[in-house]
Amino acid sequence: KAGVTQTPRYLIKTRGQQVTLSCSPISGHRSVSWYQQTPGQGLQFLFEYFSETQRNKGNFPGRFSGRQFSNSRSEMNVSTLELGDSALYLCASSGTRDTQYFGPGTRLTVL
Amino acid sequence: GQQLNQSPQSMFIQEGEDVSMNCTSSSIFNTWLWYKQDPGEGPVLLIALYKAGELTSNGRLTAQFGITRKDSFLNISASIPSDVGIYFCAGLRYTGNQFYFGTGTSLTVIP
Repeated sequence: KAGVTQTPRYLIKTRGQQVTLSCSPISGHRSVSWYQQTPGQGLQFLFEYFSETQRNKGNFPGRFSGRQFSNSRSEMNVSTLELGDSALYLCASSGTRDTQYFGPGTRLTVL
Repeated sequence: GQQLNQSPQSMFIQEGEDVSMNCTSSSIFNTWLWYKQDPGEGPVLLIALYKAGELTSNGRLTAQFGITRKDSFLNISASIPSDVGIYFCAGLRYTGNQFYFGTGTSLTVIP
């Protein structure tokens, strides 16, 4: 089975721009979660989608949004980028509620 | 978001030595997961634990689900250079259905 894939792997944007990141979960997995990882804050939960519905949400501002499609692929959008949004964004998929498998991440740099 | 207390924060060991790290929480968890992350990559699942007291091995790695459900331990025996990386624990509580992550243990193996 192919693992979780994320595109793009690297992204450079400037302040004020917006960005969309994509995640394809493991085949058959219906749950997709997004995390932000920074050296200072560690892994921070953004949100989780299951069957196209947001099931859980972390404490991030409304500039961070996501969606999930009928094929379970998910996208995450960040609008009005700030310097502090520079991070590794990780997507994780779950087939059962008890295990998560991570993708390689998208490294976002905001200049 | 809430993070688990993981220790030690970093370890420098000689090749061939055994390694121990742990994760603790004030809350009870239903599942414990252990991941390894290489620089710039996503975390890779090493071991999953689903039952209090459970002891599970994966090659030279052994992990245990604490009997109180509030902690978990990971041991690596006979360390080798490719063990270098950051190890994370993750706990899942059915209430809220959200994973919480440890702050990570950075492992350096000196040949």
